This record gives sequence, C-alpha cells and structure tokens, in this order.
Amino acid sequence: AQKVTQAQTEISVVEKEDVTLDCVYETRDTTYYLFWYKQPPSGELVFLIRRNSFDEQNEISGRYSWNFQKSTSSFNFTITASQVVDSAVYFCALGAAGNKLTFGGGTRVLVKP
Amino acid sequence: DTEVTQTPKHLVMGMTNKKSLKCEQHMGHRAMYWYKQKAKKPPELMFVYSYEKLSINESVPSRFSPECPNSSLLNLHLHALQPEDSALYLCASSQGLAGGTDTQYFGPGTRLTVL
Repeated sequence: AQKVTQAQTEISVVEKEDVTLDCVYETRDTTYYLFWYKQPPSGELVFLIRRNSFDEQNEISGRYSWNFQKSTSSFNFTITASQVVDSAVYFCALGAAGNKLTFGGGTRVLVKP
Repeated sequence: DTEVTQTPKHLVMGMTNKKSLKCEQHMGHRAMYWYKQKAKKPPELMFVYSYEKLSINESVPSRFSPECPNSSLLNLHLHALQPEDSALYLCASSQGLAGGTDTQYFGPGTRLTVL
C-alpha cells in the first residue's frame, strides 16, 4: 500500500520569507514517481514537478526547489522569497505502475503581504 | 499546450435533476480521469478511462455514470444525486497508460452543489 504524509496542514509566512513543505511517503515499489501540485483558490491543480525514484538529484526551478532523500523517504519542497501569488494548497503525490496516484493531505500556504 | 477544459464551471442541481459534466483535452493523451474533491481534502479518484475504455471504477455509486465518446472527450452524467455529492469535480488526462507514473494534467474543475 502507498501512503503520503504532509504533516503541516497550514503554514503562514510574510512575503519574501522562505517556506519549506514536508512530504514523507511509504511504498514497497522500487520504481515509483513523486509529484507536487499547486491548487490555488480557483481550484485547478497545477503540475509543478515529477521525479522518479532513481533520480535523487535536487532540482531548482526559479524560486522553487525540491529535495529528494530516498534514505528518509522524503520529497520536500521549498519556495524561496515567497510571494502573495504563492498562496495555495500544495499536494505531494506518489505513483507507481499499476497503482493510482496517492495524494497527501495537502498543505495550505498563506503568504501575507 | 497542457490544457484540459471543463464545463460548466459551476452547477447547481436538485436531487431529481439529470445533468452532465464535460471534459476535453487536445494533447493526444490516452488516459482520462474523474476525481471528486471535498473541501480541505485531496482529490479522490472516481473513474479512469484508458484508450476510451473504462479501466477503473473506484466503487462509485451508479448515480454517477461516466462516458468517453472519443479520445478527447470525457463526460460524467449525474442523476438523482444527494447533497453529500456536492464537491469540486476534477478531470485529468495523462499521456501514457492509466496509472500513477505519468504526469496527470488537471482541468479547472466543476463546482457542483446539490440542493
């Protein structure tokens, strides 16, 4: 069985602060994929990143960065210099062949001006 | 272009009504999905179509009836819904075969209210 845990239900920061969202997963599969999605108040889930289990390189995309640590089964997401437009719910998800996508409970990020 | 469109954006219906939700993608994706999302919860998978055939039904009540007329379109027919069915209904598509390995691209959703 697959499981994704996002322990932080809500994080509130002031604009320009950095914010890190934790994601811990459980799976028995050796090949799997990890995802992050952003859901702004409008409702659409916006794809941010897909990472396979064999690629442990950290990734940076603009103000976004991801830290994948297989040893601790974690795939954390950091927003640097947060902006009001970053306010949203962020979901971490886990997928493997033959399995449906398993979402974490989501972390609501509120960036105050 | 990674766009999935959904209509309508909002829908209010009575428990005796029949309505349909529509989803469209023009990315050539072979798998399409319906999800239901309640407030402050993650999306829950309802149905998956792969190559226009229903491949997964997550034990969804028969008052929800999916249909895939062609590879670009996905409908969800609604009949005799209950107030607890009020939720955001999300459509998604992915390039490869249905499952959890390919990136799923989501539409903006339909906010359904059942009175």
